[in-house]
Amino acid sequence: ETGVTQTPRHLVMGMTNKKSLKCEQHLGHNAMYWYKQSAKKPLELMFVYNFKEQTENNSVPSRFSPECPNSSHLFLHLHTLQPEDSALYLCASSQEMASGNTIYFGEGSWLTVV
Amino acid sequence: GQQLNQSPQSMFIQEGEDVSMNCTSSSIFNTWLWYKQDPGEGPVLLIALYKAGELTSNGRLTAQFGITRKDSFLNISASIPSDVGIYFCAGITSGTYKYIFGTGTRLKVLA
Repeated sequence: ETGVTQTPRHLVMGMTNKKSLKCEQHLGHNAMYWYKQSAKKPLELMFVYNFKEQTENNSVPSRFSPECPNSSHLFLHLHTLQPEDSALYLCASSQEMASGNTIYFGEGSWLTVV
Repeated sequence: GQQLNQSPQSMFIQEGEDVSMNCTSSSIFNTWLWYKQDPGEGPVLLIALYKAGELTSNGRLTAQFGITRKDSFLNISASIPSDVGIYFCAGITSGTYKYIFGTGTRLKVLA
């Protein structure tokens, strides 16, 4: 139990579906992140939120839309995805958005796009 | 861009053996993190290192922050079957918030 909870753990969706991934952290952290993990590739940072404000969009396609209603919750809205978007999506949080802050990950949401 | 090389990519060892893996960077880091990821799960933090030369243990795991600040290693002593998984390093430079991740070392322990 890392204090970062993701739902659903597994999701299969068609290319025309609209779905959302949810993340909740119970650590009192101020920064939250979405990462994408594909086979044999390093973790890719997608989005960063600091005190609910988006501070980073790492050239992510618009079919991925993040939402951060408060410092404890983070969503990733998915729409018209492609099969190559199938991956493990990891939510993470840290106390502050700064060097030296340890990042804690959730269990991940396995996404399969068919 | 910054690169982080992690080696070896995979290891097969006998139960009871010691394991060593390392990460090297083209940049100077001021924080190194080591994670373990089990199949179907997210990475779990093992050890965090914050200054050059630092040597930190967590049970049978020991990690060191290299003196040059461009490398770090993780040792596992007396491996057991539950050590199986993928071990990742991550590093970050001063003045930024983006961690750079290694590609992982896949460890398999043979009983």
